[in-house]
Amino acid sequence: GAGVSQSPRYKVAKRGQDVALRCDPISGHVSLFWYQQALGQGPEFLTYFQNEAQLDKSGLPSDRFFAERPEGSVSTLKIQRTQQEDSAVYLCASSTRDSSYGYTFGSGTRLTVV
Amino acid sequence: SQQGEEDPQALSIQEGENATMNCSYKTSINNLQWYRQNSGRGLVHLILIRSNEREKHSGRLRVTLDTSKKSSSLLITASRAADTASYFCVSGQNFVFGPGTRLSVLP
Repeated sequence: GAGVSQSPRYKVAKRGQDVALRCDPISGHVSLFWYQQALGQGPEFLTYFQNEAQLDKSGLPSDRFFAERPEGSVSTLKIQRTQQEDSAVYLCASSTRDSSYGYTFGSGTRLTVV
Repeated sequence: SQQGEEDPQALSIQEGENATMNCSYKTSINNLQWYRQNSGRGLVHLILIRSNEREKHSGRLRVTLDTSKKSSSLLITASRAADTASYFCVSGQNFVFGPGTRLSVLP
């Protein structure tokens, strides 16, 4: 596609519920990133894929967070047993292998845990 | 720890004035990128400067890079109210954003 697409745009989850957030990167982009952004803060790095390989997951805050990109294109970020502190905007970005043209970000998924 | 650290955290100027934001980073880089984020929206890539470049222009934007000081600056000339946003820097090898500079351009 022309841009990075994220769905859903908004998600309200009850505490303890599992959620799955989807990211469709730009076609052909090898690298894919997930970020978490709290209100008024900068994006916090969560994880990074190159094709289907998850090369860095050091930013995932707990083992409740899991990301996958099984075929090297679409990626899903799953949060199990959501907590109120998980409320944030989750941003996905994609780029060429060396990010020589920068990252292209999606509009994000705003997750609210009630 | 954050790789990109923007300074100042907040900047308020009058329309037509120039705005300068700075970025410091810790490790070696192959490129450094600046992004803009309008309230409630996604990040937009503004400009990328490679490690072998010292200055780059794009419209009203001017970016400098000093690898010896591990710092970069973003200059927005003749600012407009529409430039009101948060600005972030990030290196191409390290995916860590700083807290950003919140720029307010007053009409």
